[in-house]
Formats: sequence, C-alpha cells, structure tokens
Amino acid sequence: SQTIHQWPATLVQPVGSPLSLECTVEGTSNPNLYWYRQAAGRGLQLLFYSVGIGQISSEVPQNLSASRPQDRQFILSSKKLLLSDSGFYLCAWSVSDRGIYEQYFGPGTRLTVT
Amino acid sequence: GQQVMQIPQYQHVQEGEDFTTYCNSSTTLSNIQWYKQRPGGHPVFLIQLVKSGEVKKQKRLTFQFGEAKKNSSLHITATQTTDVGTYFCAGHTGNQFYFGTGTSLTVIP
Repeated sequence: SQTIHQWPATLVQPVGSPLSLECTVEGTSNPNLYWYRQAAGRGLQLLFYSVGIGQISSEVPQNLSASRPQDRQFILSSKKLLLSDSGFYLCAWSVSDRGIYEQYFGPGTRLTVT
Repeated sequence: GQQVMQIPQYQHVQEGEDFTTYCNSSTTLSNIQWYKQRPGGHPVFLIQLVKSGEVKKQKRLTFQFGEAKKNSSLHITATQTTDVGTYFCAGHTGNQFYFGTGTSLTVIP
C-alpha cells in the first residue's frame, strides 16, 4: 500500500532562518507531487507541483523553492523565512487510476516563524 | 488565474439538520473533487465528479456537478457529530488542483 511521510511534524523557526521540509512517498512510482500551504482557518494554497524528477512548477512567486531529487522525494526549502511563511504545509501525491486523480495528503508540518 | 470559491465559509447546524456547501469555479473544470479535513488533520479524498450534471451519493452525502462543469455542491442529510470538519472542493485542470476556500461545519449535539 502507498504511504506518504512528512517531517518534521512541527517546527518553530526565527525570521531569516533557512527551511527544509521533506516529503517521501512509498508504494507508488512516478507520482505527481504537490506542496500546499494552509493558513490558520483557511483553504489550501498550491505552492509547487512536480510531474517528474527535476520538474518543478511554481504557482505562487515567493521566497520558497522546491526540488525533486528522486522520484518519490519532494523537498520544500527557503533561504530566509518570513513571518508570513507561517502555516500548515501539506505534501500530497496523486496518480491517475482509471481516470480518478485522487490526492493523498501527508500528515503535514505546522511551521511557526517567530 | 484559476479561482474556486466556496460558500458558506462557516456553518453551524443542530445534529439532525441538513447541510449544503456550494463551490464555484471561474473556469470550466475537467473534474471536481471533494475532500474532508477533520480539525487538526489533513484533507481526505471523498469523491470525484467528471461528467456534466453528474450526481453521486455516499450514504448521507450527495454530490452534484453542474451542467457547465463550473460549479458543484455537497449536501449532507441529517448531520451527525462525526460530520464535523472542513469540506473542500478542488477543481482539477491539467496536473493542477485548485482548492476552494472550504466550508467549516460545526454540528451541535
């Protein structure tokens, strides 16, 4: 069965510090991978998606970046965090199964920038 | 750019009452999905609608996709406390998913 891992679960970082969040998927190959951010009490904002190794599409210009060094690994990074980067970061994967594009979400990382 | 709006943002109902959330996209969608996020949790896939005018049911939940494939609704009959959470629609176009703003449902016992 497929599993998606995200770590860390919670993170408190000072403004200006770097960030690295990692997401790995097991049990599937060549998935589409996604990074979302959810502000408190708000909807999900798509940040990046990837359809393959080294292929990253950015939805929102900001101080965040993403990389996909391996098929089932997706990394979200920042060189210098801003207060506005606080939120709940969710990684998700999807594959097409008979036309169904269900997304499976990881447990998320709750980031607080102080 | 692509926008998906949902109304209402919040809904409080007495247990046993019905609940409906509406989703509207600024553009035509390939398909639309619905997710449920329990407080403190992550979104969980409920269903996908593909065809114009499609209606699907899951027990007390009824999902509809509009004729123009730009709007959708989720209706819950006789809500229960286990229905508490935020319900999101997500429009799917190409490789991208555009999530709605969500409707937070509170069920009062």
